[in-house]
Amino acid sequence: EVQLLESGGGLVQPGGSLRLSCAASEFTFSSSAMSWVRQAPGKGLEWVSTISGSVETTYYADSVKGRFAISRDNSENTLYLQMNNLRAEDTALYYCVREVGGYCTPTSCHGIWFDPWGQGTLVIVSS
Amino acid sequence: DIQMTQSPSSLSASVGDRVTITCRASQSIASYLNWYQQKPGKAPKLLIYVASSLQNGVPSRFSGSESGTDFTLTISGLQPEDFATYFCQQSYSSPFTFGPGTKVDIK
Repeated sequence: EVQLLESGGGLVQPGGSLRLSCAASEFTFSSSAMSWVRQAPGKGLEWVSTISGSVETTYYADSVKGRFAISRDNSENTLYLQMNNLRAEDTALYYCVREVGGYCTPTSCHGIWFDPWGQGTLVIVSS
Repeated sequence: DIQMTQSPSSLSASVGDRVTITCRASQSIASYLNWYQQKPGKAPKLLIYVASSLQNGVPSRFSGSESGTDFTLTISGLQPEDFATYFCQQSYSSPFTFGPGTKVDIK
């Protein structure tokens, strides 16, 4: 069974940094595009970032561009999200998700769906 | 960015009811529309992808359809385990955007 297990969440002050990790298993991680999706408490879902499988092209939501960096270690089957200059509005449950289907171009992926989702790791930005 | 709206925002239904949830995109997204189910305290789960393809393992009472920029999720014969929040999501182009959700609860 495909599994995604996030870690690294916690309480951080505004302006601080945090690195999230996602350990993947039971699928060919290196060829899969991966994403982070977040959900603020009691709110809806927001796509944050994607990294493609082979060429590792990255894509970001405008709300995190320049502050967050997505990366992967295919030898360790692990996805990362480095979050810098955190703001109160970044408070959310961060889900690691595998992208399935579709295709990616230098500017965007198209026609994909998210499956499965990890259980999430909670990030709280507060003083 | 492509905006996604859903209606209704919530509904009350009984076991056995037929339930319909609508999602509308602010522009053409072809058939690149996915549906997810989220239960309290749990991660979302994929139900339908590319408008009408049923994900493996999802009961056949769930179905999806499309008409232009309007997409519909139908649950034919609501079961107790179907009480949850349902989100649509477009993957025509990034940023991938989600609808605000439709909460289905027990009447």
